[in-house]
Amino acid sequence: SAVISQKPSRDICQRGTSLTIQCQVDSQVTMMFWYRQQPGQSLTLIATANQGSEATYESGFVIDKFPISRPNLTFSTLTVSNMSPEDSSIYLCSVEGGAVKYNEQFFGPGTRLTVL
Amino acid sequence: TQLLEQSPQFLSIQEGENLTVYCNSSSVFSSLQWYRQEPGEGPVLLVTVVTGGEVKKLKRLTFQFGDARKDSSLHITAAQPGDTGLYLCAGRLGTSYGKLTFGQGTILTVHP
Repeated sequence: SAVISQKPSRDICQRGTSLTIQCQVDSQVTMMFWYRQQPGQSLTLIATANQGSEATYESGFVIDKFPISRPNLTFSTLTVSNMSPEDSSIYLCSVEGGAVKYNEQFFGPGTRLTVL
Repeated sequence: TQLLEQSPQFLSIQEGENLTVYCNSSSVFSSLQWYRQEPGEGPVLLVTVVTGGEVKKLKRLTFQFGDARKDSSLHITAAQPGDTGLYLCAGRLGTSYGKLTFGQGTILTVHP
């Protein structure tokens, strides 16, 4: 497994601003993923972040709104741009491959975002 | 249309009772994972099943993967208040690594 941390753990932001969420892993991993989750509900994949290439976005999510960086094998960031109250959610990163076995995916603790 | 249908959505039971959560799909999954999540935390991986018909046990939890790899179940025996949480199934289509498709989740509450 891997130890995954996210910063910030929670934030309250004003509409129109942007927030960058960091995901740090204690070992090198091949793939990192970013998800969104409403409390008590299921997870929706935003994008897959691979080191050395651009992120792959799922339907309904675009790079201008959710730019992602993956500068190395242990770190990724997700920015939520030009926020609106509809962006209020829990944002989770997960990892797989490398130090983490394939077919197993581990999640960070999440970032709870509230947009006013 | 949800690719992975999870049921029931809510389950409220008394301590000591048994329960089963189901995940069903018309698609074939190369593997399926079960997670448990508590408020304020990320999902924690419980098990991965890969082979059709596979059964895995984790203490009082029994996981089964359907023969056709289109469905799975989680059975908890003698539930305890500590089992309370959100249970999520997640399937993987195609290659053995990559993105997961999640079910809607089951919120389980076990009353003492």
